Amino acid sequence: DTAVSQTPKYLVTQMGNDKSIKCEQNLGHDTMYWYKQDSKKFLKIMFSYNNKELIINETVPNRFSPKSPDKAHLNLHINSLELGDSAVYFCASSVSSGTGSYEQYFGPGTRLTVT
Amino acid sequence: RKEVEQDPGPFNVPEGATVAFNCTYSNSASQSFFWYRQDCRKEPKLLMSVYSSGNEDGRFTAQLNRASQYISLLIRDSKLSDSATYLCVVNRYNFNKFYFGSGTKLNVKP
Repeated sequence: DTAVSQTPKYLVTQMGNDKSIKCEQNLGHDTMYWYKQDSKKFLKIMFSYNNKELIINETVPNRFSPKSPDKAHLNLHINSLELGDSAVYFCASSVSSGTGSYEQYFGPGTRLTVT
Repeated sequence: RKEVEQDPGPFNVPEGATVAFNCTYSNSASQSFFWYRQDCRKEPKLLMSVYSSGNEDGRFTAQLNRASQYISLLIRDSKLSDSATYLCVVNRYNFNKFYFGSGTKLNVKP
């Protein structure tokens, strides 16, 4: 009964390769996110989708392409991987509660290492 | 200026101590506020939302000061299991974007 799941958990690949990370949530949320957490542990938003529509696209290289086939899934494809892409990538989803506040729930993360 | 700023710590405290963290945010349009905790090599997990009137959950108390644009987290009777990094998070509805602080590391020692 995992709420937000990601695959794979670990990804080791060489520079120049293309890879994908998948995310699924079973919470019934309508908004999903991708975050990158670098070696300094700073968590930065990359993309956000609401009901399959892209609503946030931060300053991210266009080698990163998100895709949301439905509101329960958000995938991230990365082309031509670079050393600087090494980080932990977290998927998250959120809901607006009755108080009007959003609460985010995170997946376990995908630790990407580019060699 | 960063959207959310926190003292990185670490805060090293003995078991049973009371410890407080502060966090400041730069945009007065921020509307929702949260504290998350993140254990080493794990995902952030929601600790508590922060309401305008302040709120308490067991040993944890959160306060919001909109005039000064800061939020705080007080942990009473610290446990070894409280050792983690505590992330301050703010949200602006119209952008549906969450801004994370860089986290404050807490080490609770026996």
